[in-house]
Amino acid sequence: KNEVEQSPQNLTAQEGEFITINCSYSVGISALHWLQQHPGGGIVSLFMLSSGKKKHGRLIATINIQEKHSSLHITASHPRDSAVYICAAPMNYGGSQGNLIFGKGTKLSVKP
Amino acid sequence: NAGVTQTPKFRVLKTGQSMTLLCAQDMNHEYMYWYRQDPGMGLRLIHYSVGEGTTAKGEVPDGYNVSRLKKQNFLLGLESAAPSQTSVYFCASSYLGRDGDTQYFGPGTRLTVL
Repeated sequence: KNEVEQSPQNLTAQEGEFITINCSYSVGISALHWLQQHPGGGIVSLFMLSSGKKKHGRLIATINIQEKHSSLHITASHPRDSAVYICAAPMNYGGSQGNLIFGKGTKLSVKP
Repeated sequence: NAGVTQTPKFRVLKTGQSMTLLCAQDMNHEYMYWYRQDPGMGLRLIHYSVGEGTTAKGEVPDGYNVSRLKKQNFLLGLESAAPSQTSVYFCASSYLGRDGDTQYFGPGTRLTVL
């Protein structure tokens, strides 16, 4: 069974700190997704990556396919970054379906 | 574009009652999904659809039925609600269901079954 594990489960940081959230998965995949769930509940997709690194503003996502590991970094964290960050991987590697299996999420709280 | 919308936003049911959750998307996406989110667990796939007129079971389909009569709408039905179905339900859509395809989520429906 495909599994996606995230760490840490909860994370509290001071404003300005560099933050790292980790995601590991148990089977080979072609792409990994990072999503953000706002305190109000809405979910938005942040990144989809299949190799290397992607950057969007202060968010950076990296993936190591061989080690089956991905990280999400937030530079110069701000209270508005407080949210739950979720990684997700396709259930069937290389399959056309692309249904995602989700990690349990990392709840980030950034204090001013 | 409204993106993905869900109706209703909140609902309280008694055990045994039925209801239908409506998901609508205006992005002409082929794939649509229904998830449930419970405390301490990741999003879990209930049912999905790969196009108009098609539906398929996901990870936790028991107690739910779905229909996709129109491409833009995906309905989730609970025929006889149970307290175990208390959850937050999210609908999502994607252009294609390939591994790297971004899913767009609705705002969620918070359902309580008493």
